[in-house]
Amino acid sequence: EDQVTQSPEALRLQEGESSSLNCSYTVSGLRGLFWYRQDPGKGPEFLFTLYSAGEEKEKERLKATLTKKESFLHITAPKPEDSATYLCAVPTGANSKLTFGKGITLSVRP
Amino acid sequence: DTEVTQTPKHLVMGMTNKKSLKCEQHMGHRAMYWYKQKAKKPPELMFVYSYEKLSINESVPSRFSPECPNSSLLNLHLHALQPEDSALYLCASSLGLQHGDTQYFGPGTRLTVL
Repeated sequence: EDQVTQSPEALRLQEGESSSLNCSYTVSGLRGLFWYRQDPGKGPEFLFTLYSAGEEKEKERLKATLTKKESFLHITAPKPEDSATYLCAVPTGANSKLTFGKGITLSVRP
Repeated sequence: DTEVTQTPKHLVMGMTNKKSLKCEQHMGHRAMYWYKQKAKKPPELMFVYSYEKLSINESVPSRFSPECPNSSLLNLHLHALQPEDSALYLCASSLGLQHGDTQYFGPGTRLTVL
């Protein structure tokens, strides 16, 4: 069965304290992995798409990496405005249906 | 521009009311989606439209009725909802239904059923 698991469930960081969020997946034939950021009460905001092992993408303080079993979202020197829930998702089954992880809630204290 | 718009932002309705949610995109995307999201849970897929035809219905109760009038618009008609249907309803769109196509989400409609 296709599964996406994110860890930890919640993460509290001090401003400037770098860390990584993990997304592990078991999918037959990965055809993309997506990272989204979601603020409370708002829709998910697209961050990155990764397609193949070894691929890396960066945007400001965020860097996403992909291996054959997992993806990491590295946050360098986070700021309080980086506080949000970070979702990863992979397309599974027919017609591009996304299977989401449960999300990681990140809190960055000033 | 990767914008998906949704109206209204908030909706409160009684169990006997009929209301509609609206979603619009002008990115030339040919696939559009409705998701339901409960608090502290990931989005759950409800419907998928591809080229204005219903492609996936995730066994959603008939009190939810989707409609895709054209390639830019997606509606969700609501009738006789239950309090447990209260949630954030998200619309998304993608270029097509290829597995690598990125889905872009709208801001959502917060629905409360009394």
